[in-house]
Amino acid sequence: EVQLLESGGGLVQPGESLRLSCAASGFTFSSYAMSWVRQAPGRGLEWVSTISSSGGDTYYADSVKGRFTISRDNSKSTLYLHMNGLRAEDTAVYHCAKDEPVVTATPWDYWGQGTLVTVSS
Amino acid sequence: DIVMTQTPLSLSVTPGQPASISCKSSQSLLHSDGKTYLYWFLQKPGQSPQLLMYEVSNRFSGVPDRFSGSGSGTDFTLKISRVEAEDVGVYYCMQSLQFRTFGQGTKVEIK
Repeated sequence: EVQLLESGGGLVQPGESLRLSCAASGFTFSSYAMSWVRQAPGRGLEWVSTISSSGGDTYYADSVKGRFTISRDNSKSTLYLHMNGLRAEDTAVYHCAKDEPVVTATPWDYWGQGTLVTVSS
Repeated sequence: DIVMTQTPLSLSVTPGQPASISCKSSQSLLHSDGKTYLYWFLQKPGQSPQLLMYEVSNRFSGVPDRFSGSGSGTDFTLKISRVEAEDVGVYYCMQSLQFRTFGQGTKVEIK
C-alpha cells in the first residue's frame, strides 16, 4: 500500500524556519519525481516545488523561490522541504505527492494527508 | 507561466443529472512527446486531493466510468454523466507541461 506521511508542521513566527518531511512507502521512491503542494485555509491548491527522481533538478513557484529548498534522500525514501524566512502568507496545509515517474506509470496518483504550517506572531 | 482557468467556479447539480467543468490553459499543453499534460483532481470535504484523470482522458484506477475527460491543446472538459452524492467536493485541473499550475477549483454540490 502506498503511503505518504508528512510531518514537521507547526506554529512559527514570521521570519523563522521549518523543515517538513514526507516519508514514502509502498512504491519505488527513487523512480518518481516528487512535489509539494499547499493549500491555504479556505483557498485552492498551489504548487510549491518539484524535485526530479534523482534529486538533480529542482523547481519552485515564484512565491517561494529563494526561501524554500526541496530535497530528497532516496536511501530513506524521504522528501523534504526546508522553509526559511516564513511569512504569514505561507500558512497552509502542505501536501507531498507522487509526481512524474521515470518509467511508464500513473503520475500524481497518491497524495499525503498534509501537515499544517501556521506562521503568526 | 501557464495560467489555468476553470469555469464555472461553482455548480449545483441534481442527482442523476450531468455536469461539466471547463478548464482552459494559457498555452497548449501538448508536449513534443505526444502527450498532453492535463490532470483532473477531486478534493472531497476534509480529504486530500485524489486523481481522477491523467493526460486528459485516462481514467485513474477505481474512478467510476461516469467520469470522462476530453479536450486538446488549450481547452479541456471534465464531464460527469450522472452526478451522485459522493461526487461533491472541489474539482481542480492541473497542468504539468511547464512546472505545475492548478486551476482555481470548481465546487460541486448537490441540489
